[in-house]
Amino acid sequence: EIVLTQSPATLSLSPGERATLSCRASQSVSSYLVWYQQKPGQAPRLLIYDASNRATGIPARFSGSGSGTDFTLTISNLEPEDFAVYYCQQRQHWPPITFGQGTRLEIK
Amino acid sequence: EVQLVESGGGLVQPGGSLTLSCAASGFTFSTYSMNWVRQAPGKGLEWVSYISSSSSDIYYRDSVKGRFTISRDNAKNSLYLQMNSLRAEDTAVYYCARILRPGSADQIFDSWGQGTLVTVSS
Repeated sequence: EIVLTQSPATLSLSPGERATLSCRASQSVSSYLVWYQQKPGQAPRLLIYDASNRATGIPARFSGSGSGTDFTLTISNLEPEDFAVYYCQQRQHWPPITFGQGTRLEIK
Repeated sequence: EVQLVESGGGLVQPGGSLTLSCAASGFTFSTYSMNWVRQAPGKGLEWVSYISSSSSDIYYRDSVKGRFTISRDNAKNSLYLQMNSLRAEDTAVYYCARILRPGSADQIFDSWGQGTLVTVSS
């Protein structure tokens, strides 16, 4: 089973700043890495798939990069609505599909 | 507009059973593979099960194998999860999730329901 480790667990930033979230896989997942955003009481929302492809309707301030075992989600110029929990997910080696434990992005 | 609406959650005793449903609308359900994903209170996301569009391929996570059964009725645009021998650790919000591309098994979850809470407790 592929283990995904996200860091940091919590990131405290202010609106307008740049957020950099990391996801590391226990073995290579090629580019098959997906990012989701989840707000309290809501279902997750697809942000980025296959490491760097923005989903439909996702603003350009969200970008993804990486391949193999190291991946990054970058949110430039944070908006108030961006403060949420972010999960990575791998789809290279399944079953099982695995998720990271999440990074909470909070307002500083 | 794509809509996924889960139902069937509730309080059940350990060892009990429950069947979850997911009603789909706004897309051609029969062409999309589907999944169940759960989230324990205050915890992260955990994949539970997958079913292909024609039900020919089905997978489960190890901890639910032999206890949970995923199925679908394409004529009714519905996805199901039959859960037996429930344990306290099955307590979670259960989401149905659609895969991004029709006719594919690419596990990218582009549409999610609002979730239904299952609580296993005596």
